[in-house]
Amino acid sequence: SQKIEQNSEALNIQEGKTATLTCNYTNYSPAYLQWYRQDPGRGPVFLLLIRENEKEKRKERLKVTFDTTLKQSLFHITASQPADSATYLCALASYSSASKIIFGSGTRLSIRP
Amino acid sequence: GAGVSQTPSNKVTEKGKYVELRCDPISGHTALYWYRQSLGQGPEFLIYFQGTGAADDSGLPNDRFFAVRPEGSVSTLKIQRTERGDSAVYLCASSLIPAEYTDTQYFGPGTRLTVL
Repeated sequence: SQKIEQNSEALNIQEGKTATLTCNYTNYSPAYLQWYRQDPGRGPVFLLLIRENEKEKRKERLKVTFDTTLKQSLFHITASQPADSATYLCALASYSSASKIIFGSGTRLSIRP
Repeated sequence: GAGVSQTPSNKVTEKGKYVELRCDPISGHTALYWYRQSLGQGPEFLIYFQGTGAADDSGLPNDRFFAVRPEGSVSTLKIQRTERGDSAVYLCASSLIPAEYTDTQYFGPGTRLTVL
């Protein structure tokens, strides 16, 4: 069955360091992959989208890579700040069902000052 | 401008009762989605509307769940004979263009449903 895996354990890092979050998937051929941020009690907020024919995407301090051979995406936040503390969700959609976006369970990131 | 709004923010009901959850999408957004999120999990797709019609309802767990969008704007998610397992946060999202063109989805704050 299709599966999306994200680090279930919280990631705690020091302010200023680069945070790297991992998203692995199996039995899936995604057309594109998205990363969202979710704060407690709020809905997810879209951050970045990367298509299956793209290797890397950047937006300010954020960088996403997408390796369809490894079936993995990495999400990086450089020069991390305490305000970056949140849960980060990975989401995939396929060509055959582009409207049915499948989310991972998310990784909680905590940046300590 | 206003984002996606959902009402009520919290709903407590008893097992077996009927509930309606409302979603007001961003004005002009043609696509609307409902998701369900349990604690510690990511959102789970329920249904996608393009305009007034349900283009993909494959995520609805059973026939107790139903959603409508009669005028292509506001949507209502209806749950009959609620069960304790229906307790979750129900999220609504909208996007300007159809999902097939991979537009950004804007999420509402969700309705927390608790079935006692």
